[in-house]
Parts: sequence; C-alpha cells; structure tokens
Amino acid sequence: DAGVIQSPRHEVTEMGQEVTLRCKPISGHNSLFWYRQTMMRGLELLIYFNNNVPIDDSGMPEDRFSAKMPNASFSTLKIQPSEPRDSAVYFCASSFGWETQYFGPGTRLLVL
Amino acid sequence: GQQVMQIPQYQHVQEGEDFTTYCNSSTTLSNIQWYKQRPGGHPVFLIQLVKSGEVKKQKRLTFQFGEAKKNSSLHITATQTTDVGTYFCAATGYQKVTFGIGTKLQVIP
Repeated sequence: DAGVIQSPRHEVTEMGQEVTLRCKPISGHNSLFWYRQTMMRGLELLIYFNNNVPIDDSGMPEDRFSAKMPNASFSTLKIQPSEPRDSAVYFCASSFGWETQYFGPGTRLLVL
Repeated sequence: GQQVMQIPQYQHVQEGEDFTTYCNSSTTLSNIQWYKQRPGGHPVFLIQLVKSGEVKKQKRLTFQFGEAKKNSSLHITATQTTDVGTYFCAATGYQKVTFGIGTKLQVIP
C-alpha cells in the first residue's frame, strides 16, 4: 500500500487566495483526520470523518476553513480566503476506527 | 474538554544518557498512543497502551500507562542520535483524540 497520499506537498500562495489541500487515505480505513501543525500550537486536530461523515469539526478555526469527504478514498481541506496566519504544515491521517493513525507526508503551506 | 499535558517540551541529552517524557490528563483515558516525528517528517505510530498499569517495551523504549489511566510515560535507555525527534502522546476518549504538545529530543553526540 502506498500509505496516505497528500497533495500538494508544498504550496505558496498570496493572502486572499483559495487553497485546496487533498488527501487519499489508506484503502480500507474508515476514519480520516485533518491536522494542522505549527511551532506555537503544536499538532491540532481540525476535523475528523468516520465513514465519510464529519463527526467532529470543533477544531476548525473559522468559517474560512471547510473540509469534505465525498467518498472513502478522497478528502479535501479548503481555505478561502487564506491568511498569513494559516501558514503551517497540514497533515492528513487515516485509521480503522480509533486504532493506529497513519499520517501522510503533509502539505507545507506558506501564505504571503 | 479533554486536555493532555506533556512535559518537558524540550530535552537535550548527551548520547548514552536516558530520556523520559510524561503525558498527563485530567480525565480518564480510553487508551494512549505514542508517536515519533523526525525533523521534517510526519508523526509515525510507536505503540498503543490500553490497560491500566500496562508496560510495554520496544528495544530501548519503555512505555507505561498509569494505574488510573490518566498518565503515561515514554522512557528511552541509552539514547542514540537516531532517537532525535519529537515524541507525542495522543489520548483517545469520548470520541476525541488529543495530541500532547510533544517533547523535542536533541541528542548530543
């Protein structure tokens, strides 16, 4: 298995632009997590899905952030409009239930 | 809500010295997981502890889960330069997962 796949790996954009991050979880996993990692706040859970349904989005910073999971093999995290404070590494992880989470390589986002 | 405190945030040790990181919660946890993140990498699962008082070993790493299931520790014996990275605990319970802030370990050769 290729593991969790994320794209793009790096993204540089200007403030106000829309950013879309993509994730393909490991086949057979039914839980998907989006995390944001910064030096100041560490690893923060933004949202998680179970069987493609958003279960807890209490970690989503504000309305500028949205996440979708249209099917079991694809999820997106969208930021619109982006701001410099959104600069971080965004990880997607998948698991079967609450078992081991397998993290993707992350997307390094820089908003200028 | 569920909170997990992890200490210390940073630790520098001489190669060969031991290292311990602690994870504490105010609520009883269903289980606790430990992850390691190498510089520039992504978190990688190390182990999961489920039972009260559980102790598990992986070579030079020893993981413990407290009797009350509110705290956990990771101990590394005789650190090596390959141990460099950030170690996270992750607590699950009440349909939530919460990561500790992590302990960044530097090993001086």
